[in-house]
Amino acid sequence: EVQLLESGGNLVQPGGSLRLSCAASGFTFSNYAMTWVRLAPGKGLEWVSANTDSGDRTYYGDSVKGRFTISRDNSKNTLYLQMNSLRAEDTAVYYCAKRSYGTGGWIDYWGQGTLVTVSS
Amino acid sequence: EIMLTQSPATLSLSPGERATLSCRASQSISNYLAWYQQKPGQAPRLLIYDTSNRATGIPARFSGSGSGTDFTLTISSLEPEDFAVYYCQQRTSWPLTFGGGTKVEIK
Repeated sequence: EVQLLESGGNLVQPGGSLRLSCAASGFTFSNYAMTWVRLAPGKGLEWVSANTDSGDRTYYGDSVKGRFTISRDNSKNTLYLQMNSLRAEDTAVYYCAKRSYGTGGWIDYWGQGTLVTVSS
Repeated sequence: EIMLTQSPATLSLSPGERATLSCRASQSISNYLAWYQQKPGQAPRLLIYDTSNRATGIPARFSGSGSGTDFTLTISSLEPEDFAVYYCQQRTSWPLTFGGGTKVEIK
């Protein structure tokens, strides 16, 4: 059974940093692209970032480009999202999600999410 | 960036009725469109991919159609568990984008 368990969400001040982690199990992590998606209060889903199975290619949404960094450790079956220069508008539930093949595809599994609150 | 516009924002229907949700892309996305369902407090779930293919375990009452810029998700007969928010998503080009969502609520 595919499982994605996010952690690292917390309350942080504007301008601060946070690192999210996503522990994956139930599939061969190193064979699949992964992605982060967020859901802000009262808003719709927003795609944040993605990388390929090897991590050699990364992609970002315009609203987080230059502030967030996606990475992965295939030896630990873990995906990361380093978030810097956080803003109030980054407040959201952040979902880790698996894509359907190594270089992309659809999101076929989602974690339950971790809450990031940016506030003073 | 490819914009996806979903309509209506809210659809008020009764169980047993047919639901028709629309997703329009700002430029052609071929058939690279998916639909997700999300209920409050839950993660989204993939329903339809590549416009018309049902994901594993998705009931036959869910169907998708369209091509180019205009796409439709149809729920043939609403079950109580179908009342939720539905999002479309494209993967034709970066950045990947979602539509703003359609809430299907009980009338």
